[in-house]
Amino acid sequence: DAGVIQSPRHEVTEMGQEVTLRCKPISGHNSLFWYRQTMMRGLELLIYFNNNVPIDDSGMPEDRFSAKMPNASFSTLKIQPSEPRDSAVYFCASSSEISSSGANVLTFGAGSRLTVL
Amino acid sequence: GQNIDQPTEMTATEGAIVQINCTYQTSGFNGLFWYQQHAGEAPTFLSYNVLDGLEEKGRFSSFLSRSKGYSYLLLKELQMKDSASYLCAVRDSNYQLIWGAGTKLIIKP
Repeated sequence: DAGVIQSPRHEVTEMGQEVTLRCKPISGHNSLFWYRQTMMRGLELLIYFNNNVPIDDSGMPEDRFSAKMPNASFSTLKIQPSEPRDSAVYFCASSSEISSSGANVLTFGAGSRLTVL
Repeated sequence: GQNIDQPTEMTATEGAIVQINCTYQTSGFNGLFWYQQHAGEAPTFLSYNVLDGLEEKGRFSSFLSRSKGYSYLLLKELQMKDSASYLCAVRDSNYQLIWGAGTKLIIKP
């Protein structure tokens, strides 16, 4: 298995531009998570999907952020318009059913490092 | 509120043993995880505890005491490649992961 695949790995953009981050989860995993990581705030959950349905988006900073999961193998996180304070590493992670017992380990993608100038 | 505390940074010597502590206060408990994150890379799973006691996996062991809201990760025979951040995370009653800020472990020769 290729693991969780994210693109782009690095993105540098100017304030006000639209940014789209992409994620392909591990096949068979039905939960998908978008995290943001910064030195100041650590790892923050933005949103998660279960069976392609958004379950909890309370971590999404504001209306400039949106996420979609049109099918089981693809998700996007969009920032429009972007601001310098959005600069961070954005991780996508997937796991099997989160509400069942057992470890249900999160497998993270390599991350997308976003810099907004 | 929900809170996970772990030391910000620790230093240890190659070949030695180090213990990284984690204390938590969460709404319910459905397991505790330790992840390793090398600089510039993604977190990777190390261990999972749901019952009290010690789980051993090679050079790494993880301990849990649910009554004390406490866990530790024990790393033996330290190697330079163990230099990384170690993240403690607790799954609460809603099966949501609450993450600690991570402990940066520096290994010196």
